[in-house]
Amino acid sequence: QQPVQSPQAVILREGEDAVINCSSSKALYSVHWYRQKHGEAPVFLMILLKGGEQKGHDKISASFNEKKQQSSLYLTASQLSYSGTYFCGTEWVGGSEKLVFGKGTKLTVNP
Amino acid sequence: DAGVIQSPRHEVTEMGQEVTLRCKPISGHNSLFWYRQTMMRGLELLIYFNNNVPIDDSGMPEDRFSAKMPNASFSTLKIQPSEPRDSAVYFCASSTWTGPRSGANVLTFGAGSRLTVL
Repeated sequence: QQPVQSPQAVILREGEDAVINCSSSKALYSVHWYRQKHGEAPVFLMILLKGGEQKGHDKISASFNEKKQQSSLYLTASQLSYSGTYFCGTEWVGGSEKLVFGKGTKLTVNP
Repeated sequence: DAGVIQSPRHEVTEMGQEVTLRCKPISGHNSLFWYRQTMMRGLELLIYFNNNVPIDDSGMPEDRFSAKMPNASFSTLKIQPSEPRDSAVYFCASSTWTGPRSGANVLTFGAGSRLTVL
């Protein structure tokens, strides 16, 4: 039931790009992305609904391929403030409104 | 808006003791979730409530864990007796659920309660 995220960790230099993937074995109707900074609570970034739409938030965007039950988070021209652990959360058909998170991808952006 | 409020922020206790974690959701939110976070297992959903009613407690690890939501503004997660393997950060989150498959279940998390059981 838990979605699988890859990679587990990424180290970037400021200005570089990164892609974080999230896949599920279940039919999904939404994918959520959250970011958690060290010692803090997870914070909502964006939600993608069934329909394959792509969303953006500043230089962070995401896509949802419902046929493959996969979502990708794109971080462009990364900034130091992007550092943290990124979690995808999925709601699947028949799973009610329960949101189940992957184990996270730790992103470190260095100067 | 004060956000989701959790207490205590830190709790250190000895094995066998009872632990009660508290949560006040955002006013107007009708769903409340308890998650446990550890390095090994990540963010695990323990239980969630909708309109104060427990909907799914399949993530509650054992009978030692119990959760209540007596009203729309308060929930507790109790562990009795506590064990060292219960050490984790426990998060409470709330949301406004607008219907099945609405895709609008955006969670606001509290700051978490860090539990250490010795």
